[in-house]
Amino acid sequence: DSGVTQTPKHLITATGQRVTLRCSPRSGDLSVYWYQQSLDQGLQFLIHYYNGEERAKGNILERFSAQQFPDLHSELNLSSLELGDSALYFCASSVGGGASNEKLFFGSGTQLSVL
Amino acid sequence: AQSVTQLDSQVPVFEEAPVELRCNYSSSVSVYLFWYVQYPNQGLQLLLKYLSGSTLVKGINGFEAEFNKSQTSFHLRKPSVHISDTAEYFCAVTRGGGTSYGKLTFGQGTILTVHP
Repeated sequence: DSGVTQTPKHLITATGQRVTLRCSPRSGDLSVYWYQQSLDQGLQFLIHYYNGEERAKGNILERFSAQQFPDLHSELNLSSLELGDSALYFCASSVGGGASNEKLFFGSGTQLSVL
Repeated sequence: AQSVTQLDSQVPVFEEAPVELRCNYSSSVSVYLFWYVQYPNQGLQLLLKYLSGSTLVKGINGFEAEFNKSQTSFHLRKPSVHISDTAEYFCAVTRGGGTSYGKLTFGQGTILTVHP
């Protein structure tokens, strides 16, 4: 158990809908990272938050947004969903601000299916 | 920018046999390299990492990897595998030094299947 909690584990929705994925980092960790794992694109970095502030963006679509709350949990919002958004979404956390040598702890992911 | 190529999408092997999972990277700057393992229905777990120093890195569960700068490779090895090693393995790279903000670039993954 990594200590990172993601809910829900599975989510099935329809095209055009909006969903929210939730991540609770390990106790004491200030950084939260979101990744998308899909069959065609593989594992891709989406976005990083540190202590409530956005630190870096990767290949994140404009239809997607994220935030980190004062209690350090994070939410990834996906809107106007398309079939291609079906993927496993991982959250990871680390204690610091994203140094290259920091260890990341990954949650078990949320499997999103868009029908 | 960095890129990672895992040369084998699937590697079948018998229990107690040695295994090597191959990873090549491309980067114009110095890099840090990682191997992660993903067991079914679980998140990624760090196996080992190369930051600097000795090119032979030892990780958890008896795995080791060797950084070869001239060949831009970071192959993962284990001298004797167990059934429990069956999983998907990901090689990843990030810019060395400073802050990467979690911007790991992952390979496509290698599925290791250990047969009894």
